[in-house]
Amino acid sequence: EAGVAQSPRYKIIEKRQSVAFWCNPISGHATLYWYQQILGQGPKLLIQFQNNGVVDDSQLPKDRFSAERLKGVDSTLKIQPAKLEDSAVYLCASSSLGATNEKLFFGSGTQLSVL
Amino acid sequence: AQSVTQPDIHITVSEGASLELRCNYSYGATPYLFWYVQSPGQGLQLLLKYFSGDTLVQGIKGFEAEFKRSQSSFNLRKPSVHWSDAAEYFCAVGRGGSQGNLIFGKGTKLSVKP
Repeated sequence: EAGVAQSPRYKIIEKRQSVAFWCNPISGHATLYWYQQILGQGPKLLIQFQNNGVVDDSQLPKDRFSAERLKGVDSTLKIQPAKLEDSAVYLCASSSLGATNEKLFFGSGTQLSVL
Repeated sequence: AQSVTQPDIHITVSEGASLELRCNYSYGATPYLFWYVQSPGQGLQLLLKYFSGDTLVQGIKGFEAEFKRSQSSFNLRKPSVHWSDAAEYFCAVGRGGSQGNLIFGKGTKLSVKP
């Protein structure tokens, strides 16, 4: 079974620039999550999608971050404009809600450095 | 406020020794609790989870964890550590009974001495 795919693996940008990350969840997984993991901290949920609808975006800095999941499959997370404090690993995860033994699968992440 | 605390930032144990990683949580209702492991360059992997029932749960790779409601704790244990267990370990609580909408602790880095 293919895992959660994320790209790019690494990204270096200057502050005030824009950046986008892409995630392809496991086939058939209805729920998709984006997490931000700053160095030395645990992951923090940014947004949760159920199919193509937003379930929870309470921790998403909406003045600069946006995310979409068109057609309920792939998702993109965008930062515009980026700040130094956005340097982090951005993790995508997916799960099949409703399954008897639901399990969350994480991608390897995109490491963002803002200079 | 809901939160997860992992008091130990870094722990070093000798190979073959026992291990206990501490986790305390703050959550209003009965929590869904998880332990994840993150190795360098790899994604987070679920070790075990607790929803209800038996308070001692078994996970993969020989790990187990015990839920103690009176102490608001969910400590991770392993009787004999292997060098390959060196990694970062995260405790998490699920919001609203979710398995994916998680609040993570800051993690404990485990080093293993030969």
